[in-house]
Amino acid sequence: NAGVTQTPKFRILKIGQSMTLQCTQDMNHNYMYWYRQDPGMGLKLIYYSVGAGITDKGEVPNGYNVSRSTTEDFPLRLELAAPSQTSVYFCASRAGRRSGNTIYFGEGSWLTVV
Amino acid sequence: QKEVEQNSGPLSVPEGAIASLNCTYSDRGSQSFFWYRQYSGKSPELIMSIYSNGDKEDGRFTAQLNKASQYVSLLIRDSQPSDSATYLCAVTTSPRLGSARQLTFGSGTQLTVLP
Repeated sequence: NAGVTQTPKFRILKIGQSMTLQCTQDMNHNYMYWYRQDPGMGLKLIYYSVGAGITDKGEVPNGYNVSRSTTEDFPLRLELAAPSQTSVYFCASRAGRRSGNTIYFGEGSWLTVV
Repeated sequence: QKEVEQNSGPLSVPEGAIASLNCTYSDRGSQSFFWYRQYSGKSPELIMSIYSNGDKEDGRFTAQLNKASQYVSLLIRDSQPSDSATYLCAVTTSPRLGSARQLTFGSGTQLTVLP
């Protein structure tokens, strides 16, 4: 059981470049999340989704976009990379309140913008 | 602003001692509370969840919740060097009126257990 899979694990971007962080889960979870974690800090919610076709902004959405065309996939798009987006990005998922509140995290994607 | 606050530490305890980690939160509507452990360079892993006032024990870990004081804590008994990690407190909050509840994290407390 793969759980939550993120790619790539490491990436270096130049300022102004664009990229997509991929996230896939094979647990048929309704809820999916993207967090970023800056050094020595907790996790900040970027975007979340409560099901296919439904997304909403979290605490720090500026500079990012998401889509949720299927239950399994929740990609995070950076359109114009900025040094402030240098961070570790975690994708996560959970089943839902009736099926369990446990959040499962991917292994993280380390992004550096130079 | 819905916030979750933790002492950043670092907290150092000798092996075999009790480590006490504390967390306060501002959203009185919060219903679910979690403690995650995060090793350096790794993703967070859930170690405890608590939903009702009082204590919940799981092995060497005890979570304590006091909703009236908006306070949740984690005790680690018989601390081991392998417990050295950052501990993140997480609380369900509603970022905006009408939005689904989300998990808001504190900044974490770095724990070092000295052999």
